[in-house]
Amino acid sequence: GAGVSQTPSNKVTEKGKYVELRCDPISGHTALYWYRQSLGQGPEFLIYFQGTGAADDSGLPNDRFFAVRPEGSVSTLKIQRTERGDSAVYLCASRGDRGAYEQYFGPGTRLTVT
Amino acid sequence: EDQVTQSPEALRLQEGESSSLNCSYTVSGLRGLFWYRQDPGKGPEFLFTLYSAGEEKEKERLKATLTKKESFLHITAPKPEDSATYLCAVQDGSGGYNKLIFGAGTRLAVHP
Repeated sequence: GAGVSQTPSNKVTEKGKYVELRCDPISGHTALYWYRQSLGQGPEFLIYFQGTGAADDSGLPNDRFFAVRPEGSVSTLKIQRTERGDSAVYLCASRGDRGAYEQYFGPGTRLTVT
Repeated sequence: EDQVTQSPEALRLQEGESSSLNCSYTVSGLRGLFWYRQDPGKGPEFLFTLYSAGEEKEKERLKATLTKKESFLHITAPKPEDSATYLCAVQDGSGGYNKLIFGAGTRLAVHP
């Protein structure tokens, strides 16, 4: 079946603007994760959803970052008042429920704040 | 605090020259250790999960092993198409199916 998809693949925005990044998980996966990856680094956890609720949002760097998953499938990561330091690749991953722990990643959205 | 350190940062091999990548970890209670492959401009691709010391898993030219403090990814007779960044991640045993903690990765280049 289809893997995790993310849109847009690239987003360029000006400092201070608002952006939304979308993630479509693998069909049937109830767990969804957002990570952020800077150049030369491994992915860094942001937030984890189990169904519609955020089970762990301890990785969100500040209150400019917010994520939703209203119907337990598609998720949107929202960033207000973007800063140049927010520039990174934002990765989404999903996980199945049948006792497996591995997470499957999408291709990412490259966000550039100018 | 959970921590993952990968070495070397970069590795250059000749085609057919076997080698190993290292992943050292500190975690309060290991639920799983994961290896991913990442090609430039793409998301990480899942390779292996290891759950307990002594476990080994293989896939084509790759073999992953696990001890109580580290994991190795052995690459046997690599080919140029094995060139990628290899990421190691751990998941601790608290709180259910939670976040992965990643290392910075090893950039592998295999030359013909």
